[in-house]
Amino acid sequence: DVKVTQSSRYLVKRTGEKVFLECVQDMDHENMFWYRQDPGLGLRLIYFSYDVKMKEKGDIPEGYSVSREKKERFSLILESASTNQTSMYLCASSLERTPMKEQFFGPGTRLTVL
Amino acid sequence: KNQVEQSPQSLIILEGKNCTLQCNYTVSPFSNLRWYKQDTGRGPVSLTIMTFSENTKSNGRYTATLDADTKQSSLHITASQLSDSASYICVVSARDAGKSTFGDGTTLTVKP
Repeated sequence: DVKVTQSSRYLVKRTGEKVFLECVQDMDHENMFWYRQDPGLGLRLIYFSYDVKMKEKGDIPEGYSVSREKKERFSLILESASTNQTSMYLCASSLERTPMKEQFFGPGTRLTVL
Repeated sequence: KNQVEQSPQSLIILEGKNCTLQCNYTVSPFSNLRWYKQDTGRGPVSLTIMTFSENTKSNGRYTATLDADTKQSSLHITASQLSDSASYICVVSARDAGKSTFGDGTTLTVKP
């Protein structure tokens, strides 16, 4: 079974803090993704990565950065957290770059920025 | 712009009843359409995937249909159970891109 784990289920941070969200997958998948999910807006892609040390912007990258130093790990960084970044963050991975491949999701991290 | 629209936004049905969820898309060139189920507090899990040449695909009590001409898909749930209460998300992928377009989801509540 593919397993995608996220470092925290719930996180509370203060405005201006630097926030790290970690994601690890154990199936040697090439692709990894970070999404945020908000009521009425669905899942929106923040960043994705097709290989180690490689990253591409998604639809809403502003205010975020990512790091992929190892194949199994993909980190999302909020350089200076703001209240509008309060959201559910979902990490996903897939085996290949082709659009046929299923994305496997982690359980999500619910981030609250006060 | 690629878009995926789902309806209804939410639905409440009684246990044992059937229901149908709708998905309309404008993604082009079309590669495939997936339906995901997302339980509360969990990440989405894939139920079915359909390509251009497929009209119907079943996964237990879940049956997805695809009309590539009208760019519509439906997810039919038969004999609903309490465990079917979840958000159902339609995701459409284009042939020439690694990204997928997600619908906003339909929240289904099954009541005893």
